[in-house]
Amino acid sequence: GAGVSQSPSNKVTEKGKDVELRCDPISGHTALYWYRQSLGQGLEFLIYFQGNSAPDKSGLPSDRFSAERTGGSVSTLTIQRTQQEDSAVYLCASKRRGDGELFFGEGSRLTVL
Amino acid sequence: AQSVTQLDSHVSVSEGTPVLLRCNYSSSYSPSLFWYVQHPNKGLQLLLKYTSAATLVKGINGFEAEFKKSETSFHLTKPSAHMSDAAEYFCVVRHGSGNTGKLIFGQGTTLQVKP
Repeated sequence: GAGVSQSPSNKVTEKGKDVELRCDPISGHTALYWYRQSLGQGLEFLIYFQGNSAPDKSGLPSDRFSAERTGGSVSTLTIQRTQQEDSAVYLCASKRRGDGELFFGEGSRLTVL
Repeated sequence: AQSVTQLDSHVSVSEGTPVLLRCNYSSSYSPSLFWYVQHPNKGLQLLLKYTSAATLVKGINGFEAEFKKSETSFHLTKPSAHMSDAAEYFCVVRHGSGNTGKLIFGQGTTLQVKP
């Protein structure tokens, strides 16, 4: 499709397990963002990739969180040893360089039991 | 560092009355500012953006926002609310100079429109 694709759309896991969330951005978009949205909360910035530059990881809440972007395209957000407070919707977005519109995926809803 | 503060977590208006959603920003640079809308069970959509051109910015669905540097504000307005405007609204600032930099979202304002 032409939009940002995220998978899985829903993930239920047990506390302590690792999870991987995938984002496939719009082709040609150089910027890719990960945000987290908890119930009734705003969007919390996690990490930002821009082209070949080093990613801005300043929003990652702990060292259990990591992300990579391979080949300037697909990105994977990994959460190790998940905790209940990690439960949220994880949103990926991409855009062209500059101040164009940020296109969001539909999100991955993570529930940690 | 750049940040945004949305002054109201919840705004309730009657259909046909004006809408005002308030946003203040802090920025070390000339900021780029945006408003996004999130309808229930739908994705986020760009309403409008300010990128140092005209200070009054017109967006989709009749919304507009005015950049006021002296007040460090970028409030979102609409002359007449429609039921379909009920949604969550986010004020966003781009962090950093040039045309790159992370986008920081405010906490959001829930707009309720009463019949």
